[in-house]
Amino acid sequence: DIVMTQSPDSLAVSLGERASINCKSSQSVSYSSNNKNYLAWYQQKPGQPPKLLIYWASTRESGVPDRFSGSGSGTDFTLTISSLQAEDVAVYYCQQYYSTPGHTFGQGTKLEIK
Amino acid sequence: QVQLQESGPGLVKPSETLSLTCTVSGGSISSYYWSWIRQPPGKGLEWIGYVYSSGNTNYNPSLKSRVTISVDTSKNQFSLKLSSVTAADTAVYYCAREGSISGWMDVWGQGATVTVSS
Repeated sequence: DIVMTQSPDSLAVSLGERASINCKSSQSVSYSSNNKNYLAWYQQKPGQPPKLLIYWASTRESGVPDRFSGSGSGTDFTLTISSLQAEDVAVYYCQQYYSTPGHTFGQGTKLEIK
Repeated sequence: QVQLQESGPGLVKPSETLSLTCTVSGGSISSYYWSWIRQPPGKGLEWIGYVYSSGNTNYNPSLKSRVTISVDTSKNQFSLKLSSVTAADTAVYYCAREGSISGWMDVWGQGATVTVSS
């Protein structure tokens, strides 16, 4: 199974500052045949289901603010919030969909306001 | 706009079978993958498995021996059965749409809290 490890486990950032969350997979989640990275990012606020932010590692879901961006390839990926807003306080998860069977999530990163 | 709603008992006894149904509204269940994901209290997300509208399934290897996911296209519903439950299966259970290819989950239900207790 592919293990997804996020860092840090928690993060406090000032409003308007940049926040970066890392996700590392235990093996590559990229297919050379199509040059795609099989990785998604989600945001989960308390008492709510997760919300899809990013897929194919860097494609923003429709309606997601452009301050959210995804980058990386192979085994190392980053979710960046360019200018933190109060409504971005949440837990963020990465998820790989490369392997069959099984999709796996990272353990989550809690983002708070400093 | 597609919406998902989980339904089923909120309390299940140990050793019994947990059963949940997800009703899809605002769109067709056909030609998509449909998943179940769970989240124990205060913990992260665990993918349980998916069913394609044709009935093909794929399960988390760690749960495979206890899980059955099925689809009823006539009712626009898909279902989860988890057998021989223990307290470790206490969680919020989410249903979600994976899309026309298996991968990311773009539509989620609000979640159903299931407690395993005698």
